[in-house]
Amino acid sequence: AQTVTQSQPEMSVQEAETVTLSCTYDTSENNYYLFWYKQPPSRQMILVIRQEAYKQQNATENRFSVNFQKAAKSFSLKISDSQLGDTAMYFCAFGGATNKLIFGTGTLLAVQP
Amino acid sequence: DAGVIQSPRHEVTEMGQEVTLRCKPISGHDYLFWYRQTMMRGLELLIYFNNNVPIDDSGMPEDRFSAKMPNASFSTLKIQPSEPRDSAVYFCASSPRRVTASGNTIYFGEGSWLTVV
Repeated sequence: AQTVTQSQPEMSVQEAETVTLSCTYDTSENNYYLFWYKQPPSRQMILVIRQEAYKQQNATENRFSVNFQKAAKSFSLKISDSQLGDTAMYFCAFGGATNKLIFGTGTLLAVQP
Repeated sequence: DAGVIQSPRHEVTEMGQEVTLRCKPISGHDYLFWYRQTMMRGLELLIYFNNNVPIDDSGMPEDRFSAKMPNASFSTLKIQPSEPRDSAVYFCASSPRRVTASGNTIYFGEGSWLTVV
């Protein structure tokens, strides 16, 4: 069975600084997707970025980028130029052959002014 | 597009009452998912549908929970009878294709916050 592990329950970063959130996963599949979702206090789940496992190039979306290490089964999220609005819970998720999204336990990120 | 629409946004009910949560997926999306989020268990998939047919309900906690999708634009998640441990945020999500399809994205609704007292 697939598992997703986020080892950092909470993190803090100063506004305008860069922060990296960690995620590791376990799977025997070769074709899968990885996702980062943001959940602000409103509780809505917002897709931040996604990565297809067969693509070697790391995905980027504006200030958000990932470091995807397939062999190590690692998928970290880097947030550059952190903004107060980035304060949220961040979930890493795995999607594979079962067509289900398996979520990690989340990292609560606080951006300090 | 209006996105995935869920109702009610908040519901407080007494133990033993029936609760019905509703979801309208994004038009044209073939897949619909129901997730539950609690502090203890995090985000867990309850059930998902493909073209209105339930495909995997292995996450449904027990017989008190049931889900239906009578047509492509509507789904319900029903809890009868409700218990305090059912208190959670229930998310509906939809996607146009399988999770592993190229370019696919799963879109979440804003959630239904259920409190059973």
